[in-house]
Amino acid sequence: EAGVVQSPRYKIIEKKQPVAFWCNPISGHNTLYWYLQNLGQGPELLIRYENEEAVDDSQLPKDRFSAERLKGVDSTLKIQPAELGDSAVYLCASSLVGGPTDTQYFGPGTRLTVL
Amino acid sequence: GEDVEQSLFLSVREGDSSVINCTYTDSSSTYLYWYKQEPGAGLQLLTYIFSNMDMKQDQRLTVLLNKKDKHLSLRIADTQTGDSAIYFCAEFGAGGSYIPTFGRGTSLIVHP
Repeated sequence: EAGVVQSPRYKIIEKKQPVAFWCNPISGHNTLYWYLQNLGQGPELLIRYENEEAVDDSQLPKDRFSAERLKGVDSTLKIQPAELGDSAVYLCASSLVGGPTDTQYFGPGTRLTVL
Repeated sequence: GEDVEQSLFLSVREGDSSVINCTYTDSSSTYLYWYKQEPGAGLQLLTYIFSNMDMKQDQRLTVLLNKKDKHLSLRIADTQTGDSAIYFCAEFGAGGSYIPTFGRGTSLIVHP
């Protein structure tokens, strides 16, 4: 069974440029999460989807970040414009139904460097 | 301060036991997790414990929970070089939240 797939694995951009990250969750998983992981820190949740509905997005900086999960499968996270402080690893995870007892499976992440 | 705290580094010799510690602040946390992250990879769930338990064992892994002190530990028996990774403690369910809170991670280094 394929795991959570993310692309690209690495991205280097100049500040003020836009950038997008893509995530394909495990087949059949209804819940999808985007996390931000700064160097030397644990992941912080940005947004959680139940199917195509964003149910937890209070920590998503909405002035520059946006996300979508059309058709409740793949998801895209966008930053426009990127700032130097956005350099981090962006992790996607999925789980069957969501909730604390439901195992989250993580992708390898996209490492973003903003110059 | 942080909601979940961990020491940053632990170095052990191969074959010894490793004990990674974690403290959390919210007594309403209902689930406590241990994740493993290898270089360049996402997080892998190792084990979790409900707040109404005080111990859970799974092969080489033993989780101990002291709710009074809000202290969680992960013991890895017979530590191998393949266990070298960053270990994250996370709490879930505080205040009914579905948002997990992770610690900063403990980097475990296993040397021969």
